[in-house]
Amino acid sequence: SAVISQKPSRDICQRGTSLTIQCQVDSQVTMMFWYRQQPGQSLTLIATANQGSEATYESGFVIDKFPISRPNLTFSTLTVSNMSPEDSSIYLCSVDLSGSGANVLTFGAGSRLTVL
Amino acid sequence: GDSVTQMEGPVTLSEEACLTINCTYTATGYPSLFWYVQYPGEGLQLLLKATKADDKGSNKGFEATYRKETTSFHLEKGSVQVSDSAVYFCALLGSYIPTFGRGTSLIVHP
Repeated sequence: SAVISQKPSRDICQRGTSLTIQCQVDSQVTMMFWYRQQPGQSLTLIATANQGSEATYESGFVIDKFPISRPNLTFSTLTVSNMSPEDSSIYLCSVDLSGSGANVLTFGAGSRLTVL
Repeated sequence: GDSVTQMEGPVTLSEEACLTINCTYTATGYPSLFWYVQYPGEGLQLLLKATKADDKGSNKGFEATYRKETTSFHLEKGSVQVSDSAVYFCALLGSYIPTFGRGTSLIVHP
């Protein structure tokens, strides 16, 4: 299965700043998903990113707050803009290998973000 | 839409006790089903999966059987260890958007 590298693994940021999280996959994938996991909660899907098109955002998430890039089939970034303490979460990148027949969700280790 | 329902935690057990974490789902078609585990301070890791009815996924002594008739995928282990303490997430992949349960925390005491 694919190996996913996320960075940074953790960061502490000041209110009002922005942080970009990178996700690198070691194989080409069609769809990439960005999730948020707030303390003690399950995973909430932020958006789905397909290469060559704009990301599709879930209810409650907007592009101005969470801009996403997907420049090629192995890479994506998620930016958390104008951060507030409520944005403190683990952000997870995930890929869908269904197209390859493996039909497995694979996750990065996550980026733990603390906003002061 | 698709949904996953897990039993609420925390589940607290003594070492060597039997574990069952219930998971039921609602989906159109024939989704693939997964159990993920999240150890303290770490990201999610795939524990096991099943892609069709009656499949049994197994790993590290855990197992779960895809029951289409009851739309369930309960996680079981015959003898838990302290190192199994973690949060367990049931998930499905039906259409194209993965759907997760709320997670069940397992605490195993020596």
